[in-house]
Amino acid sequence: GEDVEQSLFLSVREGDSSVINCTYTDSSSTYLYWYKQEPGAGLQLLTYIFSNMDMKQDQRLTVLLNKKDKHLSLRIADTQTGDSAIYFCAARSGNTGKLIFGQGTTLQVKP
Amino acid sequence: GAGVSQSPSNKVTEKGKDVELRCDPISGHTALYWYRQSLGQGLEFLIYFQGNSAPDKSGLPSDRFSAERTGGSVSTLTIQRTQQEDSAVYLCASSLARDSGSQYFGPGTRLLVL
Repeated sequence: GEDVEQSLFLSVREGDSSVINCTYTDSSSTYLYWYKQEPGAGLQLLTYIFSNMDMKQDQRLTVLLNKKDKHLSLRIADTQTGDSAIYFCAARSGNTGKLIFGQGTTLQVKP
Repeated sequence: GAGVSQSPSNKVTEKGKDVELRCDPISGHTALYWYRQSLGQGLEFLIYFQGNSAPDKSGLPSDRFSAERTGGSVSTLTIQRTQQEDSAVYLCASSLARDSGSQYFGPGTRLLVL
């Protein structure tokens, strides 16, 4: 079945760039998403990319998509302590609306 | 307008009781989704509704789980004869349509089955 994989933990220093990686298996995924979850809070949609795009930039966030390798990354420039959270990668399954989520990457930002 | 809202925010129940969780999607959104987030299983899709089409129930874990969406807006997820393994955060999301890029999530209902 469809699967989405992420590394579980990333630690960076404040001001550095963070890169969170994700791989997915469903080649028919049409949209790929990044969500942020802070402790005790719901899922906040950060950005998404359509499968016919290679890159999308939104302020400090850059999403890169390598469709051939089914690899997605999220780069956060000038990482701040407020960026500490769990980041979820998700792929929209084929021609359905449901999202398949990765396990989440905990980003720790050290001052 | 307002985002996706869910109620209750927390629910504690005894094993064997039935519970109902409510989701109010963003006004105008025709697609509505239920997911659940638990420590052991991560984020799992449960069910989704798109307009008047038959819902996709492929993620429901057992026949104790059911959901309905009345009038194309509010949805209720019902868990009958709750078990301890049903303890999780139940998340609702909505989008303009099934083919729309953005799914927006509500704050979730934290369910604890004792």
